[in-house]
Amino acid sequence: DAGVIQSPRHEVTEMGQEVTLRCKPISGHNSLFWYRQTMMRGLELLIYFNNNVPIDDSGMPEDRFSAKMPNASFSTLKIQPSEPRDSAVYFCASRGSRQLLYGYTFGSGTRLTVV
Amino acid sequence: DQQVKQNSPSLSVQEGRISILNCDYTNSMFDYFLWYKKYPAEGPTFLISISSIKDKNEDGRFTVFLNKSAKHLSLHIVPSQPGDSAVYFCAAVYQGAQKLVFGQGTRLTINP
Repeated sequence: DAGVIQSPRHEVTEMGQEVTLRCKPISGHNSLFWYRQTMMRGLELLIYFNNNVPIDDSGMPEDRFSAKMPNASFSTLKIQPSEPRDSAVYFCASRGSRQLLYGYTFGSGTRLTVV
Repeated sequence: DQQVKQNSPSLSVQEGRISILNCDYTNSMFDYFLWYKKYPAEGPTFLISISSIKDKNEDGRFTVFLNKSAKHLSLHIVPSQPGDSAVYFCAAVYQGAQKLVFGQGTRLTINP
């Protein structure tokens, strides 16, 4: 099991550019979560999917952020246009339907820097 | 609105001593609490959890205490080891919800 795979590991981009973060969940897991880590707020949930369907996107900061899950093995988080305040570490996590709450498996994260 | 709060950004403890990490929550609907541990350049990993029907859960060197009336939980690590140096996140969830609500994290440093 390769775990949750995120790419890229690091991304440096200029303000105003589009940024796309990618996530491959663990095979068989049917829930996928996107979190953002900042010093001030810790780990914030941005959006989560069940069976590829977005369930709760109330944590998405604003319209510049969008997320998709076209199939069970792939999800993207897109920021367009990016701003310096979007700089953070973005984590993807997945969980199977039969797993308990602690069954979240996190990826290693994408460190985004917007200059 | 921060529903789960870890007010200590960092904590430094001598090896062999007890480490106590604290967490407060505001939402009385939360009924399950978890601690995650995070090393640099890695994602958080589950450490220990507790249900609201209990006030204590122990797993080896790790014990979590829950005080529902104070809406407070703590993680005790005894004895502390250098490998415990990491960021610890407190998280909470309520029945029927799927999403974990995390705190800001506390960076624990164990000094030899």
